[in-house]
Amino acid sequence: AQKVTQAQTEISVVEKEDVTLDCVYETRDTTYYLFWYKQPPSGELVFLIRRNSFDEQNEISGRYSWNFQKSTSSFNFTITASQVVDSAVYFCALSEAVRDDKIIFGKGTRLHILP
Amino acid sequence: DGGITQSPKYLFRKEGQNVTLSCEQNLNHDAMYWYRQDPGQGLRLIYYSQIVNDFQKGDIAEGYSVSREKKESFPLTVTSAQKNPTAFYLCASSIGGSKLNTEAFFGQGTRLTVV
Repeated sequence: AQKVTQAQTEISVVEKEDVTLDCVYETRDTTYYLFWYKQPPSGELVFLIRRNSFDEQNEISGRYSWNFQKSTSSFNFTITASQVVDSAVYFCALSEAVRDDKIIFGKGTRLHILP
Repeated sequence: DGGITQSPKYLFRKEGQNVTLSCEQNLNHDAMYWYRQDPGQGLRLIYYSQIVNDFQKGDIAEGYSVSREKKESFPLTVTSAQKNPTAFYLCASSIGGSKLNTEAFFGQGTRLTVV
């Protein structure tokens, strides 16, 4: 069965520090998609990135970077030089694309960036 | 503007009453989803629909019902059988079709309080 684990419930760092959010997933399929979302205090989820299971290339977008490793079933998210505006809850999610459109989320990591 | 609209943003109901949460999308997406969010629990899937007139139970479907009579609409009814209905409810949609699985786009959510 598909499962997403975000072991870090809450993290606090001082502004300008780097921070990594962990995501470990379980799936029976060889074809699947992984996602990261940000939920600011307003409540609406904001899509950050999608990665398919055949593309292990790491990705960088500004201060954000993602490290996908199939060998450890992990899809970690790093924020470099964190800012107060990065404070939010971050969710990792998994979809087994071939099977159906179901998308399963982890429990989220609440990130506090302290000024 | 294209997007997902959930209404109302806040909803209050008396215990024992059924209540229906609205979700409309104009993105021409096939797949739609309902999630429930409780503190510390992340997003849990209630129901999802991959196509009109079809839907599947998620992980916590008991006490809820849905319909998908139109592609753009996926209302969720919280019935009196749901023991702890007070929560934040999020609706989402994706292109779906299990062919080109993409990210889900979310509405702003409905916060339901049952008193």
